[in-house]
Amino acid sequence: ETGVTQSPTHLIKTRGQQVTLRCSSQSGHNTVSWYQQALGQGPQFIFQYYREEENGRGNFPPRFSGLQFPNYSSELNVNALELDDSALYLCASSYLAEQFFGPGTRLTVL
Amino acid sequence: KQEVTQIPAALSVPEGENLVLNCSFTDSAIYNLQWFRQDPGKGLTSLLLIQSSQREQTSGRLNASLDKSSGRSTLYIAASQPGDSATYLCAVIQGGSEKLVFGKGMKLTVNP
Repeated sequence: ETGVTQSPTHLIKTRGQQVTLRCSSQSGHNTVSWYQQALGQGPQFIFQYYREEENGRGNFPPRFSGLQFPNYSSELNVNALELDDSALYLCASSYLAEQFFGPGTRLTVL
Repeated sequence: KQEVTQIPAALSVPEGENLVLNCSFTDSAIYNLQWFRQDPGKGLTSLLLIQSSQREQTSGRLNASLDKSSGRSTLYIAASQPGDSATYLCAVIQGGSEKLVFGKGMKLTVNP
């Protein structure tokens, strides 16, 4: 059991809206990463946070932003939603070089 | 730019077969390689982590090997069972980077 949880499980939004996805990792896991997985594809790296600071970013526009909090929780915020943002969003926490994933949030943009 | 490839994209086998899943990557300067399992609509479950200094890792019926020089990893599944049906993904982390670079995965179906 990884101990990484995500909420909500599913979410439906309309184009142009904003969304916040949440992740909670285990105590002691100082690094959290967010990934986007489109249907039939491997996950794509969005960004990573280490001790509340952004520590690497993938090829995603600035309307994708994040926060990490001292209690090992984190958020992914997406502004001005587009249809192509529909995907499974995964967060992962790292411990001893191994990454552990949460169950994901399925976002549908209509 | 690191690229990870998994071929074939799907595999269907009868129960009991021993399986080899392949993963290749273009840049051998990796920090580690990790194999995951994903059930439909679910998150990723870590199966095995191989660090760059290691050649293989084993867990139960699973064995993963790593050949950095040739840019290849294999995941061996012994005596496959219907419960092994899932999508298997491999991913690498570059030295000096913090992100996992994934292949597209291989969908495995084990028929009873």
